[in-house]
Amino acid sequence: NAGVMQNPRHLVRRRGQEARLRCSPMKGHSHVYWYRQLPEEGLKFMVYLQKENIIDESGMPKERFSAEFPKEGPSILRIQQVVRGDSAAYFCASSRLQKRTGELFFGEGSRLTVL
Amino acid sequence: EDKVVQSPLSLVVHEGDTVTLNCSYEVTNFRSLLWYKQEKKAPTFLFMLTSSGIEKKSGRLSSILDKKELFSILNITATQTGDSAVYLCGALGGVIGTDKLIFGTGTRLQVFP
Repeated sequence: NAGVMQNPRHLVRRRGQEARLRCSPMKGHSHVYWYRQLPEEGLKFMVYLQKENIIDESGMPKERFSAEFPKEGPSILRIQQVVRGDSAAYFCASSRLQKRTGELFFGEGSRLTVL
Repeated sequence: EDKVVQSPLSLVVHEGDTVTLNCSYEVTNFRSLLWYKQEKKAPTFLFMLTSSGIEKKSGRLSSILDKKELFSILNITATQTGDSAVYLCGALGGVIGTDKLIFGTGTRLQVFP
């Protein structure tokens, strides 16, 4: 049973380009969370999705950031027109539908560097 | 606004020492408190606490939750160099129908031989 899979593991973009980060949850998990982690900081909640639904996007910047979790395929975090401040590690986590008390399983993260 | 505060921010100890990491939280509709250990990569799950006063143990690690004081501690006894990591505390809550896990900034523990 594969864990949470994220790709790419490392992504380098120039300012103004687009970054797409993918996350495949654990088998049987239908809840996906995205977190951003800046160097020397904790995990900052961005967005929580179920299949085809955004449940809570209160941590997402209002502009340039979007997330989706289609019926088929991985969840995607998309950052348009990247800026240097977007450089961070982006972690995806998943949990089971019925597990309301919350253990999340994390992927290895995608490290975005904006030049 | 929901928040989780961890202290200390960093801790440097010698092998064999005992450490206590603190976590306080204010989260809407709190449901559970989770501890994770993060080394170079993905956070790995340590404990999930939902009831006050019941200690959870795993080897040299233990944790307890105080829902009245909105507080949790993580204890590590007889520390080893392999315990060096960032320890993250997260509080799960949110309005009905959501599951929002808010993390603190973490406590960076360094254990020297």
